[in-house]
Amino acid sequence: GESVGLHLPTLSVQEGDNSIINCAYSNSASDYFIWYKQESGKGPQFIIDIRSNMDKRQGQRVTVLLNKTVKHLSLQIAATQPGDSAVYFCAENTLLSGSGNTPLVFGKGTRLSVIA
Amino acid sequence: KAGVTQTPRYLIKTRGQQVTLSCSPISGHRSVSWYQQTPGQGLQFLFEYFSETQRNKGNFPGRFSGRQFSNSRSEMNVSTLELGDSALYLCASSFLWDSQETQYFGPGTRLLVL
Repeated sequence: GESVGLHLPTLSVQEGDNSIINCAYSNSASDYFIWYKQESGKGPQFIIDIRSNMDKRQGQRVTVLLNKTVKHLSLQIAATQPGDSAVYFCAENTLLSGSGNTPLVFGKGTRLSVIA
Repeated sequence: KAGVTQTPRYLIKTRGQQVTLSCSPISGHRSVSWYQQTPGQGLQFLFEYFSETQRNKGNFPGRFSGRQFSNSRSEMNVSTLELGDSALYLCASSFLWDSQETQYFGPGTRLLVL
């Protein structure tokens, strides 16, 4: 079925290095993508989103890249800090003309551990 | 603005009981979605409400139900609880249901079924 998945379940990076978290999606009709960060004991927190008419979007220390050709999404975190340690989820949905959005479909998540 | 709030935060029930969880969306948000999060299945969509109407429903049994009130607050109910219903139940809100916009999540209700 259609799903959003992640290549790596865990990622360890040194503090100050850049992190790259990847996501593969299978629904070619998906046109909206979101990255969420979930810390222990908390709900998912919005990080950044991107629409399918873009291939790159930058936020504060984060960049999302979208490659529609290979259906790949990535989240880049610059100068990773201990506070970035969390599980990161990608999610996607599709806008249906006149019928709302399809529900968000989430990947399984990648656990990012920052080594001080 | 205050974020999405969920009550209670923690709940312990026994098999066969029923439970009601509550969600208050961000002020002005009219769409509320519910998700179940488990280690094995990840985040799975339960249902979405907008203007007191269910707009989308996930693949969960009929024991899972929900509703939305005129003030956009939402409740979900799980009847005849099973051990496998132990999970973190998350609520998310957004302004509309038919535009692609960010869904903001609450802290969740952690349900343990014994």
